[in-house]
Amino acid sequence: ETGVTQTPRHLVMGMTNKKSLKCEQHLGHNAMYWYKQSAKKPLELMFVYNFKEQTENNSVPSRFSPECPNSSHLFLHLHTLQPEDSALYLCASSQEQREGLEQYFGPGTRLTVT
Amino acid sequence: AQSVAQPEDQVNVAEGNPLTVKCTYSVSGNPYLFWYVQYPNRGLQFLLKYITGDNLVKGSYGFEAEFNKSQTSFHLKKPSALVSDSALYFCAVRAYGQNFVFGPGTRLSVLP
Repeated sequence: ETGVTQTPRHLVMGMTNKKSLKCEQHLGHNAMYWYKQSAKKPLELMFVYNFKEQTENNSVPSRFSPECPNSSHLFLHLHTLQPEDSALYLCASSQEQREGLEQYFGPGTRLTVT
Repeated sequence: AQSVAQPEDQVNVAEGNPLTVKCTYSVSGNPYLFWYVQYPNRGLQFLLKYITGDNLVKGSYGFEAEFNKSQTSFHLKKPSALVSDSALYFCAVRAYGQNFVFGPGTRLSVLP
């Protein structure tokens, strides 16, 4: 798991707060992803960045705002969240020039919205 | 559209017995298939994948999976389960040019 790191590992925030999740990959990959994992629900793809360009936004509410300043770093900016946004947020990376290569995941940030 | 089904929410097996975690998929074209494992409070860890070639693929920690094109299945197997194999297992599919689609997960419990 050291190939993809995420900070913080745990975050508790109120509905009026603004916070950011950070992801860094040390694998030389060119694509990065944000997923949301809620209890008893399938993994939900939120955003995809390919060569730093956002290529996918799966109807995610605007209170989630991604940022990819370079191919190694990915942020998820959070503001005015709702309690139903409480979940494990996972970052992943892959090498997109070659099909069939697996994604590598970080350990996740456990977010609790109060 | 791609989809993945894992028909069992929970699989229980005794330590030392063989285990199978089932996965079926739907995809246009040739699939790339993956298995991941997730331990509590951790991210998903890659176990194995099928891209092409031999239908039986071997992966980490003694796991293997068999690709069956006619049944559109990719079941995960291990000849002898360990208590430490208890975790959440995800099957994933990817078609060329598409994003990953993950199944809902199967919780494996290996009983001592």
